[in-house]
Amino acid sequence: GAVVSQHPSRVICKSGTSVKIECRSLDFQATTMFWYRQFPKKSLMLMATSNEGSKATYEQGVEKDKFLINHASLTLSTLTVTSAHPEDSSFYICSASSGSPGELFFGEGSRLTVL
Amino acid sequence: QKEVEQNSGPLSVPEGAIASLNCTYSDRGSQSFFWYRQYSGKSPELIMSIYSNGDKEDGRFTAQLNKASQYVSLLIRDSQPSDSATYLCAVAASGGSYIPTFGRGTSLIVHP
Repeated sequence: GAVVSQHPSRVICKSGTSVKIECRSLDFQATTMFWYRQFPKKSLMLMATSNEGSKATYEQGVEKDKFLINHASLTLSTLTVTSAHPEDSSFYICSASSGSPGELFFGEGSRLTVL
Repeated sequence: QKEVEQNSGPLSVPEGAIASLNCTYSDRGSQSFFWYRQYSGKSPELIMSIYSNGDKEDGRFTAQLNKASQYVSLLIRDSQPSDSATYLCAVAASGGSYIPTFGRGTSLIVHP
């Protein structure tokens, strides 16, 4: 299957700082990427759909000014958590569509801890 | 609202047994069905996809789909401790949506 790389895998930051997470499709072009959030022992929660060259589409309840998504190229999408707070601590996972509806390839995930 | 339902488990089976994981979905027009495996602390990985009624086999894994009953299952034969993980059922809605709806996942424990 396709390879999606996510970086960093772990990040610890102080409250009030911003954190950027990168998601790259290594061997294919991804016009659409998805950002998920997962709390311990909870299900995946779709945060937003990232479209290359256009604005991201956010799910209801997700603050677009807090979770900035940029999809500047066909192989890179970034998620920036702005002014992070302890409640933003979570596992953030990006994924890319294979081109077949519903089939996703996931990055390794980024575990964010906000102190 | 489109829903995908799974028993959260845990489902505990002995090594070598068959593990049966079940999933039901609400959107009758769904076209594509997937099983993802997620190890603790890791991201999901796609292990099976199925698009038509019947069985699809891949090694020790068999996916079963019954669109009339809106039911999809995953059988794992000769279960191994390394199969212990959470298994997520995902369904792509009708209309060719690229965004699947995920179930909450079933935790599988294979004990030696």
